[in-house]
Amino acid sequence: SQQGEEDPQALSIQEGENATMNCSYKTSINNLQWYRQNSGRGLVHLILIRSNEREKHSGRLRVTLDTSKKSSSLLITASRAADTASYFCAGGGAGSYQLTFGKGTKLSVIP
Amino acid sequence: DAGVTQSPTHLIKTRGQQVTLRCSPKSGHDTVSWYQQALGQGPQFIFQYYEEEERQRGNFPDRFSGHQFPNYSSELNVNALLLGDSALYLCASSPGLGIAGELFFGEGSRLTVL
Repeated sequence: SQQGEEDPQALSIQEGENATMNCSYKTSINNLQWYRQNSGRGLVHLILIRSNEREKHSGRLRVTLDTSKKSSSLLITASRAADTASYFCAGGGAGSYQLTFGKGTKLSVIP
Repeated sequence: DAGVTQSPTHLIKTRGQQVTLRCSPKSGHDTVSWYQQALGQGPQFIFQYYEEEERQRGNFPDRFSGHQFPNYSSELNVNALLLGDSALYLCASSPGLGIAGELFFGEGSRLTVL
């Protein structure tokens, strides 16, 4: 079963605009991670935020976590055509070795 | 530094057949996890291997089995293939056994069952 649900399912923006993707999850987590996948290839880890953190930055990425609402958001600033991909959130459960992924947001950045 | 490698990249099988997929973890990693990703869905956890033992298993039937070798590489075996087993199978590695942290994924093996 899927842990999280990303919103929106698909997002199309112009190059240079910001892209915001949201994720809601169901059970307690130790951390929340975001991954990127290009066209059915392997996933690439983007950023991890721990359950005791509220915000984290990495380059053009900003992630927030609200454990009271069981939600997270990923902001990509100044998007580029190369950012076109599917983005997945994944919860690392407390006491669990597995990651539970959402269904993903498909981002299209138009040059 | 080689990342996670998987083989084969693509394969086609018919219903009822058996398949073996292979994975070599990133150098320095000793834990291997397998995920199944159906078209348009997120990856779903199959199982994880550490020290040659299955440490945790997701909601998959016994037709799905695995193995980890002393060199940390791993195999995923699926018996009695069903049409619904068609998916991208992803291997991920990580260092040590602990609370789920960053995973390093291979490019996947795309299985088509006819």
